[in-house]
Amino acid sequence: GESVGLHLPTLSVQEGDNSIINCAYSNSASDYFIWYKQESGKGPQFIIDIRSNMDKRQGQRVTVLLNKTVKHLSLQIAATQPGDSAVYFCAGDSGGGADGLTFGKGTHLIIQP
Amino acid sequence: GAVVSQHPSWVICKSGTSVKIECRSLDFQATTMFWYRQFPKQSLMLMATSNEGSKATYEQGVEKDKFLINHASLTLSTLTVTSAHPEDSSFYICSSQVPSSYNSPLHFGNGTRLTVT
Repeated sequence: GESVGLHLPTLSVQEGDNSIINCAYSNSASDYFIWYKQESGKGPQFIIDIRSNMDKRQGQRVTVLLNKTVKHLSLQIAATQPGDSAVYFCAGDSGGGADGLTFGKGTHLIIQP
Repeated sequence: GAVVSQHPSWVICKSGTSVKIECRSLDFQATTMFWYRQFPKQSLMLMATSNEGSKATYEQGVEKDKFLINHASLTLSTLTVTSAHPEDSSFYICSSQVPSSYNSPLHFGNGTRLTVT
C-alpha cells in the first residue's frame, strides 16, 4: 500500500513569509496527490492536487511541486497569513479513488506574528 | 462544490452503549464513502469503505462487528460504534468523492468527536 510521510511535525514561520511543507511517499504507483488543510476540530479541507504527469501546479497563494524521481512533493504557501495556521496533510492515491487515500503524518504550521 | 455533512459534531456516551454517526452527501450522489478515524495529534487512518447497496470493506485490524456501516442510499452512510469503550474515543470523519473523472479529491465532513466515559 501507499506510505506517505512528512519530514517535520511542526513548522513555525513569520507572518508574511513563505512556507514550504514537505512530504515523501514510497509507492511509485501513486499517480495522484492531494494537500489538505485541517483546522482544529474540523475535517480536512482540500487545498490543491496534482497528477503524476505534472511536476508543478499553482493555485491561489499555493504551489505544489512533485518530484517523482525522489518521490517527494511539497506545498508552498506564499505570504503566510494567520489564517494559514493548521495541520497540513499530504495524501496519495494509486487506485483512482476507489481505495480511499493514504495520509501522511501531518505538519502543524504555526504563524508567528 | 461538493459538500459532505456529518452529524453529530460531537457526542458523549457511556461505556457499553452504541452511537450512530451519519454522513450525507448534500449535492452529489455518493456511491462510495470512506470512514476515517483520527486520534489526537495523529493522522487520519482509513477504517472502512462504504459502498451503496453492498457490504462495507474494512481495513485490517478494524472490527466489522464493532463498527457497523450502512450505506442504504446514494446520499447517506452511517457508522455505528457498538458497545463503545473509552478506547473508542476518537475523531471520526467521513468522506466521499464526486463520481466523475478517474482522479478527484475526497471531500470530508467536519468530523464527529466521540468521547466514551
